[in-house]
Amino acid sequence: GAVVSQHPSWVICKSGTSVKIECRSLDFQATTMFWYRQFPKQSLMLMATSNEGSKATYEQGVEKDKFLINHASLTLSTLTVTSAHPEDSSFYICSAPNTGELFFGEGSRLTVL
Amino acid sequence: GENVEQHPSTLSVQEGDSAVIKCTYSDSASNYFPWYKQELGKRPQLIIDIRSNVGEKKDQRIAVTLNKTAKHFSLHITETQPEDSAVYFCAAPRRSGGYNKLIFGAGTRLAVHP
Repeated sequence: GAVVSQHPSWVICKSGTSVKIECRSLDFQATTMFWYRQFPKQSLMLMATSNEGSKATYEQGVEKDKFLINHASLTLSTLTVTSAHPEDSSFYICSAPNTGELFFGEGSRLTVL
Repeated sequence: GENVEQHPSTLSVQEGDSAVIKCTYSDSASNYFPWYKQELGKRPQLIIDIRSNVGEKKDQRIAVTLNKTAKHFSLHITETQPEDSAVYFCAAPRRSGGYNKLIFGAGTRLAVHP
């Protein structure tokens, strides 16, 4: 199957700083990628859709100025959590569709102190 | 938009028993229904999926059934083993802007006891 890689796998930062998470499709091109957030013992909540060559589209209630998404190429999307606060601590997972199936990255666990 | 409901939230079975997890969806146009297994701290893994042109699909101990009229689909795991213990999520697509986004159910925490 297709491979999606995410980096970093975990990150700890101070409140008020920004954190960038990268999502790469390693063996296929992805014009669209999806970013999900998962709090402990909860489901995956779709945050936004990353589109290569155009602006990301955000789900209702997700602040676009706080969660900056850049789809720089057909194999790379980045999510930047700006001015992170403890309530942003979560598991962030990217995904990309390929041949009708959705493939997930390993996830990035963000802890904001 | 698509709304996916999943039951039960937790399920505890003895090894060898069967486990059934049910999901309902709201959009009658939905045509793809995957099931994912997620182990603690790891990414979701697709275990089986079904498209709307069939009513049942089976892969060894795992099967999925789909009732389009009632808008629900179910995951069946037979002869459960301790390694089946995980959180299982159903999902359904929500079409938006020319592509499908997957919307996930709340998840079912399955515990298989030896």
